[in-house]
Amino acid sequence: GDSVTQMEGPVTLSEEAFLTINCTYTATGYPSLFWYVQYPGEGLQLLLKATKADDKGSNKGFEATYRKETTSFHLEKGSVQVSDSAVYFCALYSGTYKYIFGTGTRLKVLA
Amino acid sequence: DAGVIQSPRHEVTEMGQEVTLRCKPISGHNSLFWYRQTMMRGLELLIYFNNNVPIDDSGMPEDRFSAKMPNASFSTLKIQPSEPRDSAVYFCASTGGEGRAETQYFGPGTRLLVL
Repeated sequence: GDSVTQMEGPVTLSEEAFLTINCTYTATGYPSLFWYVQYPGEGLQLLLKATKADDKGSNKGFEATYRKETTSFHLEKGSVQVSDSAVYFCALYSGTYKYIFGTGTRLKVLA
Repeated sequence: DAGVIQSPRHEVTEMGQEVTLRCKPISGHNSLFWYRQTMMRGLELLIYFNNNVPIDDSGMPEDRFSAKMPNASFSTLKIQPSEPRDSAVYFCASTGGEGRAETQYFGPGTRLLVL
């Protein structure tokens, strides 16, 4: 079945460091791919998405490119801020109702 | 738009008591999901409704859990009787029919503690 694998956390970075959180997927069709972010005490909220190969999703300085050849959707940000500290979830959606979420990666940014 | 609304935000109860969690999806959305989040198991889908009809309840842990959606603007998740292992954050989410670009909109969650 479909699955999502993302890197284990926690990831601890200094402010202004470069961020990469790896995400790979397995899917039989052509899924849409998402990154969701969860701030402490809140629900998940959409950060960015891409619906087809080579699409780049971007938002708030975060980017991720849908790579079909490597079945990946890695999240990147050039310069993280303390306010980016949160848990990040990679997810896929194949067009049925069911979302497949990764296990989440906790990011901690130090001032 | 107010977003997905959940109540209560926090619930503390004793083992054996009935617990009812409530959710109001975004107006116009036709799909509703209940999730449970724990440190050990991460985010688990409990049940999915489409147009108020339960489509997949295979994630409901056992008969102590039940969910209803009497109309398009309200759903409940009930645990009776509750047990300490039910302690978790319960999220409701809704989607509005964007097709393959479907975004799930999550509520703030109900943090449940069963003593």
